[in-house]
Amino acid sequence: DAGVIQSPRHEVTEMGQEVTLRCKPISGHDYLFWYRQTMMRGLELLIYFNNNVPIDDSGMPEDRFSAKMPNASFSNLKIQPSEPRDSAVYFCASSAGDSQQFFGPGTRLTVL
Amino acid sequence: SQQGEEDPQALSIQEGENATMNCSYKTSINNLQWYRQNSGRGLVHLILIRSNEREKHSGRLRVTLDTSKKSSSLLITASRAADTASYFCATENNQGGKLIFGQGTELSVKP
Repeated sequence: DAGVIQSPRHEVTEMGQEVTLRCKPISGHDYLFWYRQTMMRGLELLIYFNNNVPIDDSGMPEDRFSAKMPNASFSNLKIQPSEPRDSAVYFCASSAGDSQQFFGPGTRLTVL
Repeated sequence: SQQGEEDPQALSIQEGENATMNCSYKTSINNLQWYRQNSGRGLVHLILIRSNEREKHSGRLRVTLDTSKKSSSLLITASRAADTASYFCATENNQGGKLIFGQGTELSVKP
């Protein structure tokens, strides 16, 4: 099993540009989570899905952030327009509903 | 708001010593989990303890849970340089689904 796959691993963009982060969960997992990690705020849950349906998006910072899960094997997180304060490491994780979460390697986003 | 608060924020020990990290939380939980994160990597699940359990072991790891004090501890025995990482506790409440992570303890094990 390849584990949770995220792309890109690194993204550098300029303020105002659209950013798209991608995630492929582990096959068979029905939960998918998006997190953001910064030194100041630690690890924050942004949104999570169960069976491709968004369950809790209360952690999404503002309307500039959106996430979709069109099928069981793919999710994306979009930021439009991006701002420097969005710079962080974004993690995707998946689980089979038994509580243990498997994390991807993360996408390090830098917004200039 | 953070559910889990970890203590200490940073810990530096010599190889072979034991490392103890503590986690406190605020609300009722279904289970509490510990994760490890090496620098620049994703988090890796270490151990899960359910609210009706008091102690759990996995290799050199020992986790305790005191629901009356809303606290947990992670003990790593006979530490190795390779244990150097950040360790996070995470709680799942009774509604299930999501985890709330603490700020983590940064452990440094010197050879």
